[in-house]
Amino acid sequence: GDSVTQMEGPVTLSEEAFLTINCTYTATGYPSLFWYVQYPGEGLQLLLKATKADDKGSNKGFEATYRKETTSFHLEKGSVQVSDSAVYFCALRSPGNQFYFGTGTSLTVIP
Amino acid sequence: ETGVTQTPRHLVMGMTNKKSLKCEQHLGHNAMYWYKQSAKKPLELMFVYNFKEQTENNSVPSRFSPECPNSSHLFLHLHTLQPEDSALYLCASSQDLEGRIYGYTFGSGTRLTVV
Repeated sequence: GDSVTQMEGPVTLSEEAFLTINCTYTATGYPSLFWYVQYPGEGLQLLLKATKADDKGSNKGFEATYRKETTSFHLEKGSVQVSDSAVYFCALRSPGNQFYFGTGTSLTVIP
Repeated sequence: ETGVTQTPRHLVMGMTNKKSLKCEQHLGHNAMYWYKQSAKKPLELMFVYNFKEQTENNSVPSRFSPECPNSSHLFLHLHTLQPEDSALYLCASSQDLEGRIYGYTFGSGTRLTVV
């Protein structure tokens, strides 16, 4: 069945470091892909999305490109800030409109 | 404030208690969802409601009982829970079942501890 696999954390980076959080998916058909962010004590918020192959989603300095050939949707940011500390979830919406979430990757950015 | 409000934020209950979680949205969304978030596990979809009608129940034990009186409110009634039910319970809503444009809008969750 459809699923999402993302890198396990936790990830600890220094401020201004480059961030990559890997996400790969398994799906039949052509899914839409999402990254959600969960700040401490809060629910999940949509960070960015891509609905078709080669689309690049971007928001708040974060980017992810929908790569059909590698079935990936890796999250990247060139220079992280302390305020980016959160848990990041990769998600897939299948053509059958089912949502599948990854296990989440915890990011801590230290000054 | 995300537009989806959940109360209470924290709840501690004994295994013989009965309690309810509440979710409210005034975004004009028609679909509402309950998710369970446990440590190091993917979010687990529990229930889906569309226009007040339950469209999905992912084999959730009967000790969890949802109620959707209208498109803006969703409840999760809890009784005789087990310690392994301790988790963060997230409510979400979307314009429709497809969540095509904006995905889901999540509430902040209720942190449930069963003792």
